[in-house]
Amino acid sequence: LAKTTQPISMDSYEGQEVNITCSHNNIATNDYITWYQQFPSQGPRFIIQGYKTKVTNEVASLFIPADRKSSTLSLPRVSLSDTAVYYCLVGLSGGSYIPTFGRGTSLIVHP
Amino acid sequence: EAGVTQFPSHSVIEKGQTVTLRCDPISGHDNLYWYRRVMGKEIKFLLHFVKESKQDESGMPNNRFLAERTGGTYSTLKVQPAELEDSGVYFCASSLIPSGRGRHEQFFGPGTRLTVL
Repeated sequence: LAKTTQPISMDSYEGQEVNITCSHNNIATNDYITWYQQFPSQGPRFIIQGYKTKVTNEVASLFIPADRKSSTLSLPRVSLSDTAVYYCLVGLSGGSYIPTFGRGTSLIVHP
Repeated sequence: EAGVTQFPSHSVIEKGQTVTLRCDPISGHDNLYWYRRVMGKEIKFLLHFVKESKQDESGMPNNRFLAERTGGTYSTLKVQPAELEDSGVYFCASSLIPSGRGRHEQFFGPGTRLTVL
């Protein structure tokens, strides 16, 4: 499975746009890119998934360049409640996909 | 609709004892997954059930861990005997379709924090 690399931590302020970039140089042709969010004492929560170009939902946008070796999760106008750990996952192979969670990016939103 | 639930939320046991964790997936979700995060480490996959069958148990650390899903509904994860290194948070997740086909959104429970003294 493709290995992902993301920043360990990021800081932001309320109302700002936050972009978290994930590198996945060994992404395979059939791999999708998925982002999860995790709050303390909770399980991860699916945010968004994409294969190429741009995907947008009510929570975030996901930008994927043509070579798909990286992806950027964009959170518009963050609030204090967006403080969490964000995980980038890559992989979608055959029958049994085993999600591989890296260390994730710890985002802290300040007032 | 109820989400994935796990019981207990916390468990503190002594080394050598047995502990059984329970997971109730979202109703209708045939796919059930167990993960764990040991202190300071990453979330690691343990195994995957499709209904009552074990689809993939490559992540199970050793034979002290036994997972079951009788009837294809709730699942249990038993650790016997527990060791100090088993301490961590155990997550359960479920999905309607198996990850690997289309959108692979998994719904996670809140986890069970296991402490082995």
